[in-house]
Amino acid sequence: KAGVTQTPRYLIKTRGQQVTLSCSPISGHRSVSWYQQTPGQGLQFLFEYFSETQRNKGNFPGRFSGRQFSNSRSEMNVSTLELGDSALYLCASSLRTSGTLTDTQYFGPGTRLTVL
Amino acid sequence: QQQVKQSPQSLIVQKGGISIINCAYENTAFDYFPWYQQFPGKGPALLIAIRPDVSEKKEGRFTISFNKSAKQFSLHIMDSQPGDSATYFCAALIPNFGNEKLTFGTGTRLTIIP
Repeated sequence: KAGVTQTPRYLIKTRGQQVTLSCSPISGHRSVSWYQQTPGQGLQFLFEYFSETQRNKGNFPGRFSGRQFSNSRSEMNVSTLELGDSALYLCASSLRTSGTLTDTQYFGPGTRLTVL
Repeated sequence: QQQVKQSPQSLIVQKGGISIINCAYENTAFDYFPWYQQFPGKGPALLIAIRPDVSEKKEGRFTISFNKSAKQFSLHIMDSQPGDSATYFCAALIPNFGNEKLTFGTGTRLTIIP
């Protein structure tokens, strides 16, 4: 079974631009969560989508948004990029059969975003 | 606001030794505590997880010890091997619908030397 895939793997943008990242979950997984990983702040939860609906949200500004499609693929958008948005953006998928995030989350390799 | 404190930041252990990484939390509403392992260029992978109703869980060379009264939990890697060299993250979860998220520790970079 193929793992979680994320595209693109690397991205360079300039301040003020917007960016869209894509995540394809493991087949059959309906939950997709997004995380930001930086050396200073570590791993921080952005949001989770389940069956095309945002189910949980972290403490990030509204510039960070996402959506999920009927095939469970998810996209994350960051508008008006700032230097501090440079990070590794990870997505994780899970079955969520238990109804909670205690179901194993499988992470993708991430998209490395650099904002200049 | 960091709710899960992890230590040490980095750890060097000789091959065959025991690696110990500690985490502490404040919010007693946390009730699921996973550990993740991350290799360079890869996303984190679930290693082992524990609920607060048990004090210890073992899977192969990896053991989680949980102290509910002290609000601490730790990962022990027995017979540490060079292949265990990675960054380890502890995490905690409050299963609260609509406000459910994994809160991660800051990570421990483990290096196993021959």
